[in-house]
Amino acid sequence: GESVGLHLPTLSVQEGDNSIINCAYSNSASDYFIWYKQESGKGPQFIIDIRSNMDKRQGQRVTVLLNKTVKHLSLQIAATQPGDSAVYFCAEKNGGGADGLTFGKGTHLIIQP
Amino acid sequence: ETGVTQSPTHLIKTRGQQVTLRCSSQSGHNTVSWYQQALGQGPQFIFQYYREEENGRGNFPPRFSGLQFPNYSSELNVNALELDDSALYLCASSFTGSGEKLFFGSGTQLSVL
Repeated sequence: GESVGLHLPTLSVQEGDNSIINCAYSNSASDYFIWYKQESGKGPQFIIDIRSNMDKRQGQRVTVLLNKTVKHLSLQIAATQPGDSAVYFCAEKNGGGADGLTFGKGTHLIIQP
Repeated sequence: ETGVTQSPTHLIKTRGQQVTLRCSSQSGHNTVSWYQQALGQGPQFIFQYYREEENGRGNFPPRFSGLQFPNYSSELNVNALELDDSALYLCASSFTGSGEKLFFGSGTQLSVL
């Protein structure tokens, strides 16, 4: 099975509200995590990343939280906008080698007007 | 836009044929990775090239092969196409050899009939 997955396939939020997208991972050896946004017909777009020696990292309107105890990752988007509508993927990586990123199946974020 | 360009954008092949997909990395990036994304799924790591050599590979058979050129552009070759090879093929580049913080192109949509 996949080592990275998401709790909900679809998340619907009101415009202006905060969104929280969750992700569970199973490989305790993973030390690098990353969130991507993918719009229809486009490749994944980098949002934010975090290493396992951190619990929280903030970007512009986004925050990633990492809980290594329960192997859980979340992406918080503040003041959700229509342009945030997309599929969001979390991905993990084990070590500094060339093993590649392991992606989950994705959460489709829908913004209600 | 990430600066990673892929060609062609769409391609139709028949079972048993061979295909070559091309990618130009973002300026300054020396590492290129290829991912396969089936409909409704997250991308799956095929392999990674650093300094013109494959330095990491996912769970894909040998009929998936690649090249990286001195200008860091890359090709993905797939021989003996199967119906299940129908997918979006994504190229990603980064400026480290670790395969982290990847910047993706928009992909090549391959249909095998």
